[in-house]
Amino acid sequence: EVQLVESGGGLVQPGRSLKLSCLASGFTFSNYGMNWIRQAPGKGLEWVASISSSSSYIYYADTVKGRFTISRDNAKNTLYLQMTSLRSEDTALYYCARHRPTGSGWYFDFWGPGTMVTVSS
Amino acid sequence: EIVLTQSPTTMAASPGEKVTLTCRASSSVSYMHWYQQRSGTSPKLWIYETSKLASGVPNRFSGSGSGTSYSLTINSMETEDAATYYCQQGSSYPPTFGAGTKLELK
Repeated sequence: EVQLVESGGGLVQPGRSLKLSCLASGFTFSNYGMNWIRQAPGKGLEWVASISSSSSYIYYADTVKGRFTISRDNAKNTLYLQMTSLRSEDTALYYCARHRPTGSGWYFDFWGPGTMVTVSS
Repeated sequence: EIVLTQSPTTMAASPGEKVTLTCRASSSVSYMHWYQQRSGTSPKLWIYETSKLASGVPNRFSGSGSGTSYSLTINSMETEDAATYYCQQGSSYPPTFGAGTKLELK
């Protein structure tokens, strides 16, 4: 059974940093691209960042580019999101999601339960 | 960036009623994918590549469309179908989601 479990969320002051983790199990982690997707309270879904299976390709949303860094450790089956210079608008539930390519594009076939990040003084 | 517009924003349906949710893209996309999110839970892949049902999805659901216009249809509304449905395109970066349609039980 595919499982994704995020951790590392919490309350952090504006301008500070936080690092999220996502532990994967039930599949060969090193074969799949992975993503972070967030959802602000009461709002919709916003893609944040993607990383390919071997970390060769990395993409970011414009809203986090230069502040967030996605990475992975295939030996530990773990995905990371290093967040710096946090702003109040980064407050959200952060999901990790597995990347599934199609013939011309991709979708997200499994999601974790999420970890909440609250940026407030 | 491709913008996805979902309609309606919210709607209520009675048990047994046919329901159609729509998603329009600002540019043509190859496929549309749909997710169901029940209150307090994470999104679940529901329909992928426009018309393929994800594992465990009842066959009263269907998806269709092409180009810039896509839809998700429920043949006969059931209680468990009350949720928010999001469409998503992955044809170009950044991947984008619609704002969601909240489907309630009447």
